[in-house]
Amino acid sequence: DAKTTQPNSMESNEEEPVHLPCNHSTISGTDYIHWYRQLPSQGPEYVIHGLTSNVNNRMASLAIAEDRKSSTLILHRATLRDAAVYYCILSYTGTASKLTFGTGTRLQVTL
Amino acid sequence: NAGVTQTPKFQVLKTGQSMTLQCAQDMNHEYMSWYRQDPGMGLRLIHYSVGAGITDQGEVPNGYNVSRSTTEDFPLRLLSAAPSQTSVYFCASSYGLNLNTEAFFGQGTRLTVV
Repeated sequence: DAKTTQPNSMESNEEEPVHLPCNHSTISGTDYIHWYRQLPSQGPEYVIHGLTSNVNNRMASLAIAEDRKSSTLILHRATLRDAAVYYCILSYTGTASKLTFGTGTRLQVTL
Repeated sequence: NAGVTQTPKFQVLKTGQSMTLQCAQDMNHEYMSWYRQDPGMGLRLIHYSVGAGITDQGEVPNGYNVSRSTTEDFPLRLLSAAPSQTSVYFCASSYGLNLNTEAFFGQGTRLTVV
């Protein structure tokens, strides 16, 4: 399985944008890039996913590099409720049942 | 819409005891999975199922059994609990093979084996 590399932790001020990077240099052409987050004492929660083009939804934006070897999850205005561990995961089509989680990036949001 | 429901939320077992962690989903999802999460770690896949009657092993299957007799339910059985199985267990479900969509997770079962 292709691997992802994320920083262990990041900090942000509330109401400022946050850019969470993910490197996946061995990604294959059929791998989707998924982001999940895990709030304290909760199960993981889907954030966004994409294949080649940038994606937007109500929670975040996903910017994918042209060579697909890296991506960035963008939270446009961080709030205290966004403090969580964010996981970048590569998923071959149809393997949403077999997600491979790394240790993710712990995002701290301060006032 | 309840989503993915796990019971119990907390459980303490003695070494050697057996128990079943329950997982139910009401979204008619074909795929269901069990993960465990140890402190400071990401989730690791135990077993998964791509439909009723079909199960397969994940990364860390030893000491656990599963079955999938209905689309809705995917119980995880610990045959003889060991302290190394102390962990938080998450169940997840998602749509089937040709839809690369999101997985939905339950709130977890915190298991302590003493």
